[in-house]
Amino acid sequence: KAGVTQTPRYLIKTRGQQVTLSCSPISGHRSVSWYQQTPGQGLQFLFEYFSETQRNKGNFPGRFSGRQFSNSRSEMNVSTLELGDSALYLCASSLAGSGREETQYFGPGTRLLVL
Amino acid sequence: AQKVTQAQTEISVVEKEDVTLDCVYETRDTTYYLFWYKQPPSGELVFLIRRNSFDEQNEISGRYSWNFQKSTSSFNFTITASQVVDSAVYFCALKTASKLTFGTGTRLQVTL
Repeated sequence: KAGVTQTPRYLIKTRGQQVTLSCSPISGHRSVSWYQQTPGQGLQFLFEYFSETQRNKGNFPGRFSGRQFSNSRSEMNVSTLELGDSALYLCASSLAGSGREETQYFGPGTRLLVL
Repeated sequence: AQKVTQAQTEISVVEKEDVTLDCVYETRDTTYYLFWYKQPPSGELVFLIRRNSFDEQNEISGRYSWNFQKSTSSFNFTITASQVVDSAVYFCALKTASKLTFGTGTRLQVTL
């Protein structure tokens, strides 16, 4: 089975621009979660989608948004980019996401640099 | 509130040494799962193990072993006979009904 894929792998943007990142989960997985990883804050949960609905959300401003499509693929969007948005954005998929026992499998991430 | 503490920020060992990565967690939930992930320089988080709160049996997988002690809220990870390829950042994580919480990670450097 193919793993979680994320595109693009690297991205350079300037302040004020917006960006869209894409994630394709493992086949059969219906839950997709997004995380932001920075040296200062570590791994922080952004949001989780299941069946095209946002099921859970972390403490990020409204500039961060996402969506999920009927094929479980997900996108996240960051508008009005700030320097502090420079990070590794990781996507994780799991079968249904809601159970404590469910393992999340991660993609390779998208490295975003905001200049 | 839940929390995962990995007090060791960075560990450096010479190849073939054994090394233990510590993980201490806090949660009020009685049912939870603990995970370890490995993050090599490429960035992808690689799943290593999952353990539920009712199963305190230690686990061994090749050179890797895990020691779960509910009494001390710890879930430590030992690599036996470390190799250069083990160099990575290792994250411990706690999953309850509400969310998955990661520790800050331990960077392991294995040198020749």
